[in-house]
Amino acid sequence: EAGVAQSPRYKIIEKRQSVAFWCNPISGHATLYWYQQILGQGPKLLIQFQNNGVVDDSQLPKDRFSAERLKGVDSTLKIQPAKLEDSAVYLCASSWTSGSNEQFFGPGTRLTVL
Amino acid sequence: AQTVTQSQPEMSVQEAETVTLSCTYDTSESDYYLFWYKQPPSRQMILVIRQEAYKQQNATENRFSVNFQKAAKSFSLKISDSQLGDAAMYFCAYRSTFGNEKLTFGTGTRLTIIP
Repeated sequence: EAGVAQSPRYKIIEKRQSVAFWCNPISGHATLYWYQQILGQGPKLLIQFQNNGVVDDSQLPKDRFSAERLKGVDSTLKIQPAKLEDSAVYLCASSWTSGSNEQFFGPGTRLTVL
Repeated sequence: AQTVTQSQPEMSVQEAETVTLSCTYDTSESDYYLFWYKQPPSRQMILVIRQEAYKQQNATENRFSVNFQKAAKSFSLKISDSQLGDAAMYFCAYRSTFGNEKLTFGTGTRLTIIP
C-alpha cells in the first residue's frame, strides 16, 4: 500500500512570493490533514478535510493561506504572500475517517522563506 | 483547550538499555486518546503506540510500553532494549473523542542512542 505522498520535498522562496504544496493521501482515506511544524515545535493542525469539505480551519491564517481538496482525493496548500515566519515543515496526513485512531503522515515539505 | 507538555527536550540512552520519555497533558474531558509518534531524521512520522483513556490497562507494543496515569494526567513512554533505529524525535499527542478529533502535539523529545 502506497503511503501519503507530498511534493516538493524542499522549497526555498523569498518573502512575499507564493508557494504551493501538493499532497496525495492513501487511497480510500476520507480525511486529510495539513499540519505546520515549526522548528523545535510539535505539528500544529492548519486544516482538516472530510472528503472535499472543510471540517476545521480555525488555525489557518486565511489572509495568506488557502487549501483545497476538490475531488476529495489530493489536496493543495498555498501560501500567498509568504512571510519569514512561514518557514516550517508542512506535513500532510490522512486517515480512513475523522474517527480513526491512526493518522498516516507524509514525508513533509520543508519550506524556507528568505 | 487541551495542552500537551513534554518537559525533556533531549534524552540519551545506551544501546540495549531502557529509557522513559515523559508527557503530561491537560484536559477537562473524561474520554480521549493518547499517542506516541516517532519522527526519525528526514523521515515521516509514524505511530508508535496509542492508549484509550477508558482502558486502565497500559498499552504495549513489543519493546514499547506506556505508563498511563489518568488522575495525574501523565502518559510516559518506556523503550526497552534500545536500538540504534530508535533514534528520533518522539511526540506525545492527544485526541479528543468529541468534535473534529484533531491531534494536539507536544513539543517533542529528541532521543539519542549511544552505541
